Amino acid sequence: GQQVMQIPQYQHVQEGEDFTTYCNSSTTLSNIQWYKQRPGGHPVFLIQLVKSGEVKKQKRLTFQFGEAKKNSSLHITATQTTDVGTYFCAGIMGGSYIPTFGRGTSLIVHP
Amino acid sequence: NAGVTQTPKFQVLKTGQSMTLQCAQDMNHNSMYWYRQDPGMGLRLIYYSASEGTTDKGEVPNGYNVSRLNKREFSLRLESAAPSQTSVYFCASILGTGLNEQFFGPGTRLTVL
Repeated sequence: GQQVMQIPQYQHVQEGEDFTTYCNSSTTLSNIQWYKQRPGGHPVFLIQLVKSGEVKKQKRLTFQFGEAKKNSSLHITATQTTDVGTYFCAGIMGGSYIPTFGRGTSLIVHP
Repeated sequence: NAGVTQTPKFQVLKTGQSMTLQCAQDMNHNSMYWYRQDPGMGLRLIYYSASEGTTDKGEVPNGYNVSRLNKREFSLRLESAAPSQTSVYFCASILGTGLNEQFFGPGTRLTVL
């Protein structure tokens, strides 16, 4: 079964509100990746985090990797309708080269 | 570069029929993957190929077979389709290992009646 848990499954927000999705792993990760999938589309790579405690920003998106390398989060500030889609995390377990995807968080932005 | 291409885009099968999903990448990537995506289940790995000539099972391999025909192509075969295999299938490739970003194809939407 899934070893990378992602919550929430869905999130409705009003345009301009913030959004956060969380990923948790039962084991230490080598790295974690984040992907975005627009409705009807395919997953597209956003970013990769490798270091303990790492924080990376892409415009309104902030990605964090926990100190223990077991959890990660994606935060979007002031959502826009263009942010609509499903956000997936994918963790690489220590000693493996196979990504394990979380189930994704679907973001719905109401104008 | 076309990136990762998949054919067909859509397919409807009857239970028991067979078919092959095709995937090709032109980025000279070593590793290729097949996933299925079902509502609420995320992306589940069916099979992967770490390099030309090698294939390994993923999380949900039952009912599927794969062939890594060459470095560019990785096909997925359903020998006897079942309604439980109705899903969206994505092929992906990586330069090297899972420590690099995955590039996904546009997907094949398969319905088994």
